[in-house]
Amino acid sequence: QKEVEQNSGPLSVPEGAIASLNCTYSDRGSQSFFWYRQYSGKSPELIMFIYSNGDKEDGRFTAQLNKASQYVSLLIRDSQPSDSATYLCAGPYTGGGNKLTFGTGTQLKVEL
Amino acid sequence: DAGVTQSPTHLIKTRGQHVTLRCSPISGHKSVSWYQQVLGQGPQFIFQYYEKEERGRGNFPDRFSARQFPNYSSELNVNALLLGDSALYLCASRKGLSGVETQYFGPGTRLLVL
Repeated sequence: QKEVEQNSGPLSVPEGAIASLNCTYSDRGSQSFFWYRQYSGKSPELIMFIYSNGDKEDGRFTAQLNKASQYVSLLIRDSQPSDSATYLCAGPYTGGGNKLTFGTGTQLKVEL
Repeated sequence: DAGVTQSPTHLIKTRGQHVTLRCSPISGHKSVSWYQQVLGQGPQFIFQYYEKEERGRGNFPDRFSARQFPNYSSELNVNALLLGDSALYLCASRKGLSGVETQYFGPGTRLLVL
């Protein structure tokens, strides 16, 4: 089982809708998670991080962490065409320390 | 403040050659990590350095090596290049080793092995 799993998509949503991106993880001891956005040909850019159960909101973005069910999600409200990108979920590297292990990413397409 | 910088931005090599990639972290950041991202996949952890010491190594062959200098910049070296080494190589920096610290990525070096 992969350490961090994401549906590769593409996930298509109309402009103005809520986009919901999900990620599951295998290491029950994982404490912190990060969401990165990556435009085609560019490097990952941090969107959100979360390390406690519940929700964390930042503008149009809300990250949710459910440690009991071992999933992390990212909600994007009022989706815009500029949100079209690949979203990477990252958790702690199983080998220890504070390196990151990434999912394969979910491609989001926001359609006009 | 300048972000993480990497050089070169693009590189074309042939099989069997050697390559050196360079990274300068954000000012004040002492930890540098290297990741490999092949097309369609998420970044894969290669190395982490902190205060010039290796603090972690991913599942990569010994052809991959790295080091960190006193100014916290870092080099990633890959020997005996294979076609499968073609990827985007990302450098990420953070202040220290806390698990909740944010890691910031550089623009990457795109390596093509022919």
